[in-house]
Amino acid sequence: EVQLVESGGGLVQPGGSLRLSCAASGLTVSSNYMTWVRQAPGKGLEWVSVIYSGGSTYYADSVKGRFTISRDTSKSTLYLQMDSVRAEDTAVYYCARGGTIFGIYYYYMDVWGKGTTVTVSS
Amino acid sequence: EIVLTQSPGTLSLSPGERATLSCRASQSVSSNYLAWYQQKPGQAPRLLIYGTSSRATGIPDRFSGSGSGTDFTLTISRLEPEDSAVYYCQQSRTFGLGTKVEIK
Repeated sequence: EVQLVESGGGLVQPGGSLRLSCAASGLTVSSNYMTWVRQAPGKGLEWVSVIYSGGSTYYADSVKGRFTISRDTSKSTLYLQMDSVRAEDTAVYYCARGGTIFGIYYYYMDVWGKGTTVTVSS
Repeated sequence: EIVLTQSPGTLSLSPGERATLSCRASQSVSSNYLAWYQQKPGQAPRLLIYGTSSRATGIPDRFSGSGSGTDFTLTISRLEPEDSAVYYCQQSRTFGLGTKVEIK
């Protein structure tokens, strides 16, 4: 069974740092397009970042320069390093697998974790 | 940047009725990258439709997607109580704000 389990969320002060983890089972992180999506309280979904199977990374403008997506192949784990956090980064953070058709990335997300909650507050 | 506008904001229907959810893009988009998700309270989103009209694994055939260009539609042919949720469309890296479906 394919499963994603996020961890690392919690309370962090504005300007602080946090690293989120997403442990994958049943899939190989390095062979997939892995994404982070967040959802602020009572709000909709917001795409945050993706790491392609080839290693390229992309970010939403709202987090560019502050967040870093990475992966550890040996641990089959995806990470999101969050630096210089702001109140508006408060959200549930989901990791998800990007969908492909015949190996081509189609941006949809077909496997989701349950999410980890990040609260930025002093 | 593409903006996705979903309508209506809320849809209140009875079991067995047909639900039609709209997702309109601010400019023409590729139908390959249009997806729909269902999200229930306290749960992660679940993929329903990808590539505009392909159902994800395990999704009942009462869910169907269609559209092209700037106008896309998710149809739930016969609503069931468990279909009560918020539905989001996605195009590439952009999500719509969602349509809440309430079952009377």
